[in-house]
Amino acid sequence: DADVTQTPRNRITKTGKRIMLECSQTKGHDRMYWYRQDPGLGLRLIYYSFDVKDINKGEISDGYSVSRQAQAKFSLSLESAIPNQTALYFCATSDFDRVGGYTFGSGTRLTVV
Amino acid sequence: GQNIDQPTEMTATEGAIVQINCTYQTSGFNGLFWYQQHAGEAPTFLSYNVLDGLEEKGRFSSFLSRSKGYSYLLLKELQMKDSASYLCAVSGYSTLTFGKGTMLLVSP
Repeated sequence: DADVTQTPRNRITKTGKRIMLECSQTKGHDRMYWYRQDPGLGLRLIYYSFDVKDINKGEISDGYSVSRQAQAKFSLSLESAIPNQTALYFCATSDFDRVGGYTFGSGTRLTVV
Repeated sequence: GQNIDQPTEMTATEGAIVQINCTYQTSGFNGLFWYQQHAGEAPTFLSYNVLDGLEEKGRFSSFLSRSKGYSYLLLKELQMKDSASYLCAVSGYSTLTFGKGTMLLVSP
C-alpha cells in the first residue's frame, strides 16, 4: 500500500457541486498539506495542518476548506466547484525533523465542467 | 514571501551533462529541495541542501550558495528516463514553496 493515498484518482464534477478529496497516510507524520498544480504555475499551497487541532491557510485557500479528522487523514473540500478549480491536486506529508522533504500522494485530477 | 525562479524548459542529449539553475528570494530559509516529477505523477525527492556547497548522490548533484540565493541541480550521464520536470523548492518557516519547474527533454 502507498504511504500517502489520495481518493479519488480522477473526478469530473459539475459547476456548483460540492466535492471532497480525501488523503490518508501511514507515514506517521504530523504535518499534512494540500497543493494544486496547474500547467505553468507549479505547485501552490492551499491549506496545511501540523496536527489535528491545527489548520492554516496557504497561498490560495479561497473556495476551499479542509478537515483534519485524525493524524492520518486530511480532507480537502470544494464547497461550490468552479471551472478554474480544474487542476491536479496533491496531498503531501512531512516530518521536518528528518531530511527528505515531502512525501506526496499520487494526485487527484479534478475537472469541473 | 518567497520568489523562486528556474528556467521553463531545457533540452539535452542522452549521455550529456545538464545543469538546472534556481534562484530564490525568501523571508526565511531552512533548506532547499529538488524534486523530480514525471508527467501526471507525483513529485519525488531528489536532494536537500541546507549548508553551502555540493551534495552528490550518484548521477545527481545539487549545489547551494545561501549568500547568492542560488542553487543548481547537475545531472550527469543523462538517460532518456531523466526526461521530466525538475522542481526547486525552498523551505521557509513552516512550508515548502515551489518554483514553477523546469521541463527537461532528453533526446537520443
